[in-house]
Amino acid sequence: DQQVKQNSPSLSVQEGRISILNCDYTNSMFDYFLWYKKYPAEGPTFLISISSIKDKNEDGRFTVFLNKSAKHLSLHIVPSQPGDSAVYFCAARSGGTSYGKLTFGQGTILTVHP
Amino acid sequence: EPEVTQTPSHQVTQMGQEVILRCVPISNHLYFYWYRQILGQKVEFLVSFYNNEISEKSEIFDDQFSVERPDGSNFTLKIRSTKLEDSAMYFCASSGLFANEQFFGPGTRLTVL
Repeated sequence: DQQVKQNSPSLSVQEGRISILNCDYTNSMFDYFLWYKKYPAEGPTFLISISSIKDKNEDGRFTVFLNKSAKHLSLHIVPSQPGDSAVYFCAARSGGTSYGKLTFGQGTILTVHP
Repeated sequence: EPEVTQTPSHQVTQMGQEVILRCVPISNHLYFYWYRQILGQKVEFLVSFYNNEISEKSEIFDDQFSVERPDGSNFTLKIRSTKLEDSAMYFCASSGLFANEQFFGPGTRLTVL
């Protein structure tokens, strides 16, 4: 299932700089997109989301951008902090219902160096 | 802050045995889900559950799997006869009415020997 793809397995960033994590999707029926952060031996933690009718959503240091024509979304973290080091998953919801299933990308390992 | 809890954190079982994985969703949530992640692979959807019935299930969720909400707080996933390939992290999630975000529990690591 390649409907949601995160092409970068890992990203390394210096503390204080911007982290940009990318995600591509193929299914035009996806109506809602979410980013989750995951530490080892823990479940995914919800970070930020965006509806398909918007192109940007911001929450503190985290901003998600959606480019529907390119079927691409990105998560910007600025400034990056060492505590942001984790695996980041992009997920997309289908079905147009509140309880639609999520389809996940493979994840990107972010390492923020002090 | 309310959270989804799961027990046990790790379950080891013999092939062919039945296992029940337990979850307590966030108390006012109405939609419940199970996902799993095989080591090195993506998190994949198994089943969603609303109003005491399955809303959607994936191809993985065959007759060996079942879900139940036995009381007002627990949500369980049963695997009737485990296979080696069922070894994975199993995540429970829940979401509220009209809410778009799903909140995940810490997971149960299932090891089938």
